[in-house]
Amino acid sequence: DGGITQSPKYLFRKEGQNVTLSCEQNLNHDAMYWYRQDPGQGLRLIYYSQIVNDFQKGDIAEGYSVSREKKESFPLTVTSAQKNPTDFYLCASSIEGAKNIQYFGAGTRLSVL
Amino acid sequence: GDSVTQMEGPVTLSEEAFLTINCTYTATGYPSLFWYVQYPGEGLQLLLKATKADDKGSNKGFEATYRKETTSFHLEKGSVQVSDSAVYFCALSSNAGGTSYGKLTFGQGTILTVHP
Repeated sequence: DGGITQSPKYLFRKEGQNVTLSCEQNLNHDAMYWYRQDPGQGLRLIYYSQIVNDFQKGDIAEGYSVSREKKESFPLTVTSAQKNPTDFYLCASSIEGAKNIQYFGAGTRLSVL
Repeated sequence: GDSVTQMEGPVTLSEEAFLTINCTYTATGYPSLFWYVQYPGEGLQLLLKATKADDKGSNKGFEATYRKETTSFHLEKGSVQVSDSAVYFCALSSNAGGTSYGKLTFGQGTILTVHP
């Protein structure tokens, strides 16, 4: 089945530790996105990538980094600068001709120990 | 900038009740409007969309009409089921300022719980 796979589903990190969240898609989509879902605030865009080897900051990029070395993969690194105790991250992708129709993964919940 | 405001939740209904979730927006130009749904433990799925004024999006018994005069896109369903329990997000996509990367601006989400 085609879709977007995020792993792991739950992740714990220690203060001062960087962690990387995985996002893989087999939909052959060009564009990929990372969002953080904050309770009561909806989704906010962290980074997006329209093509391989290119990515742009979204609205809340501070404390995060990404790479896009392959079309199928768009990993997100959460650095120690990110202070929230628990966050829920969603990855999405879209096709070139309909970028505002996005397909989402099931999410990763990241907690600080 | 663009913004989306949804009615405060959570919303609790009995099965077969009528559902309305209000959504209003602020945007430059002529945005496209969306409703996404997030079932428990899953990511978001596109429920319906409308791309111009007076368009009606519909899917799975849900409907929403793009009202430019009131800048609204309210979600309705005539008879809800337990399986409709989920979080519903209103969103818009605007091409203002030449953005073309599919930027979606989301509302805060409304939790719907339907009891048998």
